[in-house]
Amino acid sequence: DIQMTQSPSSLSASIGDRVTITCRASQYSGTHLNWYQQKPGKGPKLLIYAASSLQSGVPSRFSGSGSGTDFMLTISSLQREDFATYYCQQSYSSPYTFGQGTNLEIK
Amino acid sequence: QVQLVESGGGVVQPGRSLRVSCAASGFTFGRYGIHWVRQAPGKGLEWVALIWYDGSNTHYADSVKGRFTISRDNSKSTVYLQMNSLRPEDTAVYFCARGTTGGAFDYWGQGTPVTVSS
Repeated sequence: DIQMTQSPSSLSASIGDRVTITCRASQYSGTHLNWYQQKPGKGPKLLIYAASSLQSGVPSRFSGSGSGTDFMLTISSLQREDFATYYCQQSYSSPYTFGQGTNLEIK
Repeated sequence: QVQLVESGGGVVQPGRSLRVSCAASGFTFGRYGIHWVRQAPGKGLEWVALIWYDGSNTHYADSVKGRFTISRDNSKSTVYLQMNSLRPEDTAVYFCARGTTGGAFDYWGQGTPVTVSS
């Protein structure tokens, strides 16, 4: 199974900050890497698919990069509505594992 | 618009069974694979199972293999997760999600809670 490790596990930032979350796969995953945002009591929302493609309707301040085993999610200028938990997920092979999550809080 | 609505969750004793459902609308259901993902209280996301668009293939997490069965009825645009021999560690909110050809989950339901407790 491919294990996904995110860092950091939690992050405090201010409105307008640029933040980066990293995700490392234990095995080669190509560009089969997706990012999700989850707010309390809600189902996750797809932000980025195939490592760097922006899902329709997602603001352009979100971007993704990477391939192979190392990936990043960047938010260029934090807005209030971005404070949430973020998960990476590999779709290279079953089981389709998620990272442990990064809780992004307001500083 | 695409909608996925889960139902059937509840409180069940260890060792018993429960079936949860995922009703879809707003898209051509028979063209998409559907996943189940769960989230234990205060924890992260855990992928549970996948069924292909036509039901011809299924995949399971090791933690549920042999106990859970995913199925679908394309005439009703509904996917089911039959959960047998339930354990306290199966306690979670169960989400269904639509799968894309690239493997991402592009639409999710709001989840249905399952509690396994005596």
